[in-house]
Amino acid sequence: EADIYQTPRYLVIGTGKKITLECSQTMGHDKMYWYQQDPGMELHLIHYSYGVNSTEKGDLSSESTVSRIRTEHFPLTLESARPSHTSQYLCASSESKGAGFYSNQPQHFGDGTRLSIL
Amino acid sequence: KNQVEQSPQSLIILEGKNCTLQCNYTVSPFSNLRWYKQDTGRGPVSLTIMTFSENTKSNGRYTATLDADTKQSSLHITASQLSDSASYICVVSDRGSTLGRLYFGRGTQLTVWP
Repeated sequence: EADIYQTPRYLVIGTGKKITLECSQTMGHDKMYWYQQDPGMELHLIHYSYGVNSTEKGDLSSESTVSRIRTEHFPLTLESARPSHTSQYLCASSESKGAGFYSNQPQHFGDGTRLSIL
Repeated sequence: KNQVEQSPQSLIILEGKNCTLQCNYTVSPFSNLRWYKQDTGRGPVSLTIMTFSENTKSNGRYTATLDADTKQSSLHITASQLSDSASYICVVSDRGSTLGRLYFGRGTQLTVWP
């Protein structure tokens, strides 16, 4: 079982609030990712990181921001939540072995945060 | 356009039966293909990863096959159990850049009935 944790698991909050979704991993992985997943749809990459002080935007445009001050911690922040941000957010990490960013290493996922903005 | 298509969208089988899930992709250049299992309310868990040179890989009762020529993969589940009820996601990685990219299918929702 992978050691990657997300909190909170569920969050229902009003429009305009600032939200931080937490993600921590204890495997020492350099690479970390945030995905957005809606029911019945594919995962979309919104942010990724190669390591400490490295963050990049993913394929899906997102109003969220991320930071990577410590290897094990990769929080995602929404400055002002809107109903369109309602979704499930999944955090993942992987080892750095092999060529290319994804190489042949599996991604280890957390159990996600289900976010509902009223 | 790089895409990953999975079929069927959903499947119901009886406990103890076998089943096969399909994945067709148009991703190029190809790097590897992954199968993940996602239980309801949980994150995906890796089942197998296959590179271009591998045409089959097993993980317990799960066996994945890859035909890189026809760009097709299948996931075969043997002697299904109730715990196999989940969404099975096919993911293809390209090697078109230093970054590479993962292309996700929408998953096949498998339900195993007793």
